[in-house]
Amino acid sequence: EDKVVQSPLSLVVHEGDTVTLNCSYEVTNFRSLLWYKQEKKAPTFLFMLTSSGIEKKSGRLSSILDKKELFSILNITATQTGDSAIYLCARGTGNQFYFGTGTSLTVIP
Amino acid sequence: DTAVSQTPKYLVTQMGNDKSIKCEQNLGHDTMYWYKQDSKKFLKIMFSYNNKELIINETVPNRFSPKSPDKAHLNLHINSLELGDSAVYFCASSGTGHYSGNTIYFGEGSWLTVV
Repeated sequence: EDKVVQSPLSLVVHEGDTVTLNCSYEVTNFRSLLWYKQEKKAPTFLFMLTSSGIEKKSGRLSSILDKKELFSILNITATQTGDSAIYLCARGTGNQFYFGTGTSLTVIP
Repeated sequence: DTAVSQTPKYLVTQMGNDKSIKCEQNLGHDTMYWYKQDSKKFLKIMFSYNNKELIINETVPNRFSPKSPDKAHLNLHINSLELGDSAVYFCASSGTGHYSGNTIYFGEGSWLTVV
């Protein structure tokens, strides 16, 4: 399976900071790039990106895909302690979803 | 309503035992999956299955086998459990149906501990 690499592996920030999480992948023929947030239980869906250059936003979270450079970023502005979680990205191709290693984000008061 | 449900949530068992984890989805999806999440939180696909095709990750030992009585269920059977099988196992589903689009939805996870 092709790699999906996330960086950084872990990150500790203070409340109010802005963070950028990175996800890079190797193949060009995919259907979607997905972002998930995982706290103590199952990963929960954040974004699905299929088109390059179109930003998706949900509150303080936003994400964009660059198909040419094969990466996506997830931005979180004005971080809160409730943003502490593991953030996973996944490449979807057909019926296969391959996840990255995840970025562990800790937001301290 | 729980979209993807799996049982049991927690399972502690001895080495060498055989166990099953059940999974059901009510999303009308065509494809179901089993993922294993290890202590480093890496989600690794084990199987994907729809009515037509079972795709097995070749790194999965053949002690693991999926069983699908119908397209809403995909159970995971594990024979001769080993210590290294301890992990969280997530069931998931994707496809058209109630929730369209190429998005994958996860169950709550089954925490397996082999002692």
